[in-house]
This record gives sequence, structure tokens and C-alpha cells, in this order.
Amino acid sequence: EVQLVESGGGLVKPGGSLRLSCAASGFTFSSYSMNWVRQAPGKGLEWVSSISSSSSYIYYADSVKGRFTISRDNAKNSLYLQMNSLRAEDTAVYYCASCRVGFPPSYWGQGTLVTVSS
Amino acid sequence: EIVLTQSPGTLSLSPGERATLSCRASQNISSSYLAWYQQKPGQAPRLLIYGASSRATGIPDRFSGSGSGTDFTLTISRLEPEDFAVYYCQQYGSSPWTFGQGTKVEIK
Repeated sequence: EVQLVESGGGLVKPGGSLRLSCAASGFTFSSYSMNWVRQAPGKGLEWVSSISSSSSYIYYADSVKGRFTISRDNAKNSLYLQMNSLRAEDTAVYYCASCRVGFPPSYWGQGTLVTVSS
Repeated sequence: EIVLTQSPGTLSLSPGERATLSCRASQNISSSYLAWYQQKPGQAPRLLIYGASSRATGIPDRFSGSGSGTDFTLTISRLEPEDFAVYYCQQYGSSPWTFGQGTKVEIK
């Protein structure tokens, strides 16, 4: 069974940092691209970042470029999102999601809540 | 950036009725890289349709997708009680990936 389990969310002050993790199991992690998608409370879905299977290709939304860094460790079946210079508008549930090249994310974790507030 | 506009914002229907949801793109979506998701409160999105018209694994055949270019439709042929949820379209053909704002299908 495919499982994606996010962790690392919590309450952080504006300007602070947080590192999210996503532990994957039940599929060949190293063969899949991975993504972070977020959802602000009561709002719609927003793509944040993507990383290819070998980390050769990395993409960011303009809203997080220069502040967030996506990475992965295929030996540990894990995906990460380092978030720096956090703002109130970064408050959201952050989902990790897997996909094959040319396909949309088919497996999603349950999400981890990040709250940026003083 | 491709902007996706979904309509209507809310659809009030009864179980057994047909639901038709629209997703319009601000520019052509290459290779019909258009997906539909269902999301229920407190849950992650669930992939329903990819490539505009292909059902994802395990999705009932009452869900169907159609369209190309800039106009896409999700149809639920006969609403079941578990289908009342929010539906999002997403384009994954060009970066940045973008989502529509969602259509809520509620019980009338």
C-alpha cells in the first residue's frame, strides 16, 4: 500500500524557519517525481514545488522562490521542504504528492499544518 | 501562467442527478494535461481524471472527463451520497502547475 506521511509542521513566528519531511513507502520512491502542494485554511490548492526522481530538475512557485528549498533522499525514501523567511501567507496545510513524469500527482499524504503567526 | 476558471462555484443537486462541472483555461493546455480531483473536508485531494478523460485507478465509471484546448468538463452521471465534495481541475502541462478555484457540489 502506498503511504506518504508528512511531518514537521507547527507554529512558527514570521521570519522563522521550518523543515517539512515526507516519508514514502509502498512504491519505488526513486522512480517518481515528488511535489509539495499547499492549501490555506478554507482556500483552494496551490502548487509549491516539484523535484524529479534524481533531483536533476527542481521547480518552485514564484511565491516561494528564494525562500523554500525542496530536496529528497532516495536512500531514505524521503522528501523535504526547507522553509525560510516564513510569512503569514505561508500558513497552510502542506501535502506531499507523488507522480510519474507526464502524469498528475496520484498519491497524496494527509498533510501537515504550518501556521505562521506572532 | 495558465489561469483555470471553474464554474459554477457551487452546484446544488440531489442524489441520482447528473452533475456537469466546467474548467476553462486562459490558454491552450498542451497534450490535454488536465486533471480533476475530489476533496472532502479534512482529507487530501483524490485524483479522479488525468489526461482530460482517463479515469484514475479505482474511480467509478460514473465519473467522466472530456474536452481539449481550453475547455474541459467533468461529468458525474448519477450522484451518489459520497460524491458531495469540492472538485478541482489542475493543469500539469506547463510550469507552474495551476489549479482552478474549485466547484462545491452540495446536497440540494
